[in-house]
Amino acid sequence: EVQLVESGGGLVQPGGSLRLSCAASGFTVSSNYMSWVRQAPGKGLEWVSVIYSDGSTYSADSVKGRFTISRDNSKNTLYLQMNSLRAEDTAVYYCASHPDYFDYWGQGTLVTVSS
Amino acid sequence: QSVLTQPPSVSGAPGQRVTISCTGSSSNIGAGYDVHWYQQLRGTAPKLLIYGNSNRPSGVPDRFSGSKSGTSASLAITGLQAEDDGDYYCQSYDNSLSGWVFGGGTKLTVL
Repeated sequence: EVQLVESGGGLVQPGGSLRLSCAASGFTVSSNYMSWVRQAPGKGLEWVSVIYSDGSTYSADSVKGRFTISRDNSKNTLYLQMNSLRAEDTAVYYCASHPDYFDYWGQGTLVTVSS
Repeated sequence: QSVLTQPPSVSGAPGQRVTISCTGSSSNIGAGYDVHWYQQLRGTAPKLLIYGNSNRPSGVPDRFSGSKSGTSASLAITGLQAEDDGDYYCQSYDNSLSGWVFGGGTKLTVL
């Protein structure tokens, strides 16, 4: 059974940093496209960043230069390093696997950016 | 402002049929990229409902169906049930943004 479990969320001040983790079981992170998708409180879904099976990465303009997606193949874990956080980054962050569509999702981890 | 446009809300009585539209442009749906649909029930993660415009993953009832034409797509739900109450999102890929895009979501209320 495929399972994705996010962790690392919490309260952080504007300008601060946080690293999210997504531990996978039942499949191999490095063999799949893996993304982070976020959802601000009461809002819709927004794709954030992707890491392809070949290791290349891409991010949405809203986070480019501030967020970095990576993975540790030995731990079968996906990460999102978030720097220079802003209030508008407040959201539940989901990790998801996908080819073209997002077939498996984690339960999400809440990031709150506030002073 | 989402790249894909959905109605904010739809409603229907149990047993009725509802449809949810998803309108894109020439850089996403109109460019030939597939449309996918997700169901998000209160307090839970999104769940894949329809992939590749009209395909249902294993376990999704055939009450749910999808279609695509031109720069738009639709999700139809027949025989509405109370447990269908929730939010529905369409999703595609946009080549001008070089990323995956979602609709703003549609709140389905089962009356």
